[in-house]
Amino acid sequence: DAKTTQPPSMDCAEGRAANLPCNHSTISGNEYVYWYRQIHSQGPQYIIHGLKNNETNEMASLIITEDRKSSTLILPHATLRDTAVYYCIVRGGSSNTGKLIFGQGTTLQVKP
Amino acid sequence: NAGVMQNPRHLVRRRGQEARLRCSPMKGHSHVYWYRQLPEEGLKFMVYLQKENIIDESGMPKERFSAEFPKEGPSILRIQQVVRGDSAAYFCASSPSHEQFFGPGTRLTVL
Repeated sequence: DAKTTQPPSMDCAEGRAANLPCNHSTISGNEYVYWYRQIHSQGPQYIIHGLKNNETNEMASLIITEDRKSSTLILPHATLRDTAVYYCIVRGGSSNTGKLIFGQGTTLQVKP
Repeated sequence: NAGVMQNPRHLVRRRGQEARLRCSPMKGHSHVYWYRQLPEEGLKFMVYLQKENIIDESGMPKERFSAEFPKEGPSILRIQQVVRGDSAAYFCASSPSHEQFFGPGTRLTVL
């Protein structure tokens, strides 16, 4: 599975959009990009995943560049409850149902 | 549809005792994963199981740790002869296919 690079921390004002970047320059054609988050010491929470098209659900939007070497998770209207560690994970091919490899993630602090 | 359930939520053991952690996947999910999070560290994969089969145990310590997912009942992560270094949060996840849904975790403290 390809390695991902994320900034260690980011701040965002409450009510504004939070844009979390992720680099995955070695991603291969059949690998998906997944985003999870972990709020304080709770279990990680699935947010969204995509292959090459942009995706949107009730939680967030995922924008994947045309060359697929990077992506951005967008939380359109961040709230204080969105303060968490956000993990960008690349996985796929024959191991679509395999393990998730968590890096250090981005700690997002939403401020009032 | 209830989420992934783990019990106990907190478990205290003395060195040398056994710890049994249980995970009930979401209804209809046949894939179960166990992860460990040591204090102030990231999540690390331990083992991936399907019903009655271990698919990937590459993250499981070779000694004292075992996991099962029987045909009936919850998945069990068993740690024999616990040591202080086993103190951690143990998370279980279940999956129907792509996405994994995590339980609240079991926090193991070894005295």
